[in-house]
Amino acid sequence: GQNIDQPTEMTATEGAIVQINCTYQTSGFNGLFWYQQHAGEAPTFLSYNVLDGLEEKGRFSSFLSRSKGYSYLLLKELQMKDSASYLCAAFDNTDKLIFGTGTRLQVFP
Amino acid sequence: DSGVTQTPKHLITATGQRVTLRCSPRSGDLSVYWYQQSLDQGLQFLIQYYNGEERAKGNILERFSAQQFPDLHSELNLSSLELGDSALYFCASSVSGTGYEQYFGPGTRLTVT
Repeated sequence: GQNIDQPTEMTATEGAIVQINCTYQTSGFNGLFWYQQHAGEAPTFLSYNVLDGLEEKGRFSSFLSRSKGYSYLLLKELQMKDSASYLCAAFDNTDKLIFGTGTRLQVFP
Repeated sequence: DSGVTQTPKHLITATGQRVTLRCSPRSGDLSVYWYQQSLDQGLQFLIQYYNGEERAKGNILERFSAQQFPDLHSELNLSSLELGDSALYFCASSVSGTGYEQYFGPGTRLTVT
C-alpha cells in the first residue's frame, strides 16, 4: 500500500532549529515534496528532492534517502511565522502526489 | 498569490444536494488537479486533467465528477452530498502533465449540514 508517516505535532522556540521527519512507502517513487500550509490556507511549495542528499534553500533544507524511504525538513532560525503545518508528499510511479497528514509546528517566543 | 483562482470561497448546503466548484489555473498551465482535505486527513488526490483530458484518477467517489473546458478552467461536481463530504477542496495547476511544481488555489470550504 501507499503510506506517508510524519509526526502529528511539534513545538519549538523562536530562533531554534527543528527537524521534521517523514517516512514513505509508495508504488514506485519519483520524488519527495515538502509543502507549508498555514491554517485554512493553500499549501505552498517548499522543496523537491529526487536524488539522495541535502538540498538547502535559505533557512529551509530538505534531505532524502531513497534506500531508507526517509526524508526530513530542517528549519533553522525559527520565526513565529513558521508556525504552520508541514506536509510531506511523495510522487508515486503514476505521477500522483501522495500526501501525509502533515506535522503541525508551533513556534513559541 | 499562486495565480490559481477558485470559487466560491465558502459553500454551505444540505445533504442530498449537488454543488459545483470552479477552478481557473495559472496562465499557461495545462494541468488541473483536485484535492480534498478533511479535518483529520491529509490532502487526498481526487483527479487530474491535462489539456482537457482526464490524466489520472485518485480516490474520487462515483458521486463526484469533474471536467476541464477548452479555456482550461475546471469544475468539480459533487452530488448526493453527505455530511462526510464537508471538507476543503483545493485545486492545483502545473505547466506539464507530470505534476511537478503544483501551485495550489485558495480552496473552497464546503460545509454539508
